[in-house]
Amino acid sequence: EVQLVQSGAEVKKPGESLRISCKGSGYTFTDYCITWVRQMPGKGLEWMATIDPSDSYTSYSPSFRGHVTISTDWSISTAYLQWSSLKASDTAIYYCARHKITGNSHFDPWGQGTLVTASS
Amino acid sequence: QSVLTQPPSVSGAPGQRVTISCTGGSSNIGSGYDVHWYQQLPAAAPKLLIYGNNNRPSGVPDRFSGSKSGTSASLVITGLQAEDEADYYCQSYDTSLSGWRVFGGGTKLTVL
Repeated sequence: EVQLVQSGAEVKKPGESLRISCKGSGYTFTDYCITWVRQMPGKGLEWMATIDPSDSYTSYSPSFRGHVTISTDWSISTAYLQWSSLKASDTAIYYCARHKITGNSHFDPWGQGTLVTASS
Repeated sequence: QSVLTQPPSVSGAPGQRVTISCTGGSSNIGSGYDVHWYQQLPAAAPKLLIYGNNNRPSGVPDRFSGSKSGTSASLVITGLQAEDEADYYCQSYDTSLSGWRVFGGGTKLTVL
C-alpha cells in the first residue's frame, strides 16, 4: 500500500525553527514528486512547494518562497518542510502529497497532515 | 482570492443531484490543463476523487463524475448521501505564475 506518513503535531514559539517530515512507503520514492500544501484554520488548500526527489529540483509558490525550505533524504524516503523563524501566521495544518513528475499530475495519496501551532 | 473559483457552498437532500463548478481562465483550465477534484471529510486529509477531468480512482463510487469545458470544470454528485457531506476542491495548473499548481477556494457540501 502506498502511504505518506507525516510527523506529529508541533507547538512552537514565534521566531523558533521547525522541521516536519513526510515518509513515503510502498513505492520507489525517487519516481514521484512530493508537494506540500497548507491549510490555515477554517480555510482552503494552498500549494506551497514541490520537490523532485530524484534530483532535488524544487519549485516554490511566490507566497512561500524565502520563508520555507523543502528537501528530501531519498535514502530514507523522507521529505521535509522547514522554517528558520516561525511566525504566528504559520499556524496551520500542513499536508504532503505524492504526484508524478510530469506535468499537471494529480495528488495521491496525501499524508495525514501535521498541525503546526506557533504561539507565544 | 483563488485562481480557480468555486461556490462557497451547495446543498441538497439525500438522493438528489448536485453540481459544483470550478471556473478558471485562459492561463489554466482554458489552456487545456486537466482538472482534478479532492474530497475533504471533516477533520480528515484531502482525498483524490476525480483525476484528469473525468476519471475515478479505484474505490470512488460512480455517483461522482467530472467534466470540463472551455475555462470551467464541474463535479456532479448523484444520489446524494449523508456521507458525502464534505469540502470539495478543484485543482489545476496555471502558467501565468511560474507554473503553479492551483486550487479552487473549496465548496462546502451540506446534505440536508
